[in-house]
Amino acid sequence: QKEVEQDPGPLSVPEGAIVSLNCTYSNSAFQYFMWYRQYSRKGPELLMYTYSSGNKEDGRFTAQVDKSSKYISLFIRDSQPSDSATYLCAMSGNTGGTSYGKLTFGQGTILTVHP
Amino acid sequence: ETGVTQSPTHLIKTRGQQVTLRCSSQSGHNTVSWYQQALGQGPQFIFQYYREEENGRGNFPPRFSGLQFPNYSSELNVNALELDDSALYLCASSLVGASGNTIYFGEGSWLTVV
Repeated sequence: QKEVEQDPGPLSVPEGAIVSLNCTYSNSAFQYFMWYRQYSRKGPELLMYTYSSGNKEDGRFTAQVDKSSKYISLFIRDSQPSDSATYLCAMSGNTGGTSYGKLTFGQGTILTVHP
Repeated sequence: ETGVTQSPTHLIKTRGQQVTLRCSSQSGHNTVSWYQQALGQGPQFIFQYYREEENGRGNFPPRFSGLQFPNYSSELNVNALELDDSALYLCASSLVGASGNTIYFGEGSWLTVV
């Protein structure tokens, strides 16, 4: 069983829809949770970063972390064709120090937003 | 723009050869990590360097090695290339010790082994 599970999709939605992306994980030591967006043949771009449980909102994006259920989500409101990309969840187990850069990623979800 | 630059962007190598990939970290970042991303998969952690020493390694054989230089730039070396080494290799930099620090990736180096 993988430490981080992410439904690879693909997910296709109409413009303006609310998109929900999810990951589950098994390692209770994970403390930092991130969402990256990756366009085709490009490096991952950091979208959201959350420490421990809770919600975080940034514009059209909302990240949620539920550590009790080992479940994280990313919501995209008013989705746009430019949001079409692969979305990767990632997490890290260290609360500071040199382990911070060791991320464990999900497989990625391919999202297409059509006009 | 993350401030993390990688070179080369694309390269083709023959099985059995050796390759060196390079990374320049974001200014002020003291930690660099390398990841391998196969097609259709999430990035897999190879190793991390902090203060010029390897600080953690993922499930990769010793033929994957690296260096970090005093200016925090880094190299990833892969010896005895295999076909399965074909992937996007990503460099990521971060700053240890800062609260709420985050990790930024470069655009990657596409390696094809034939």
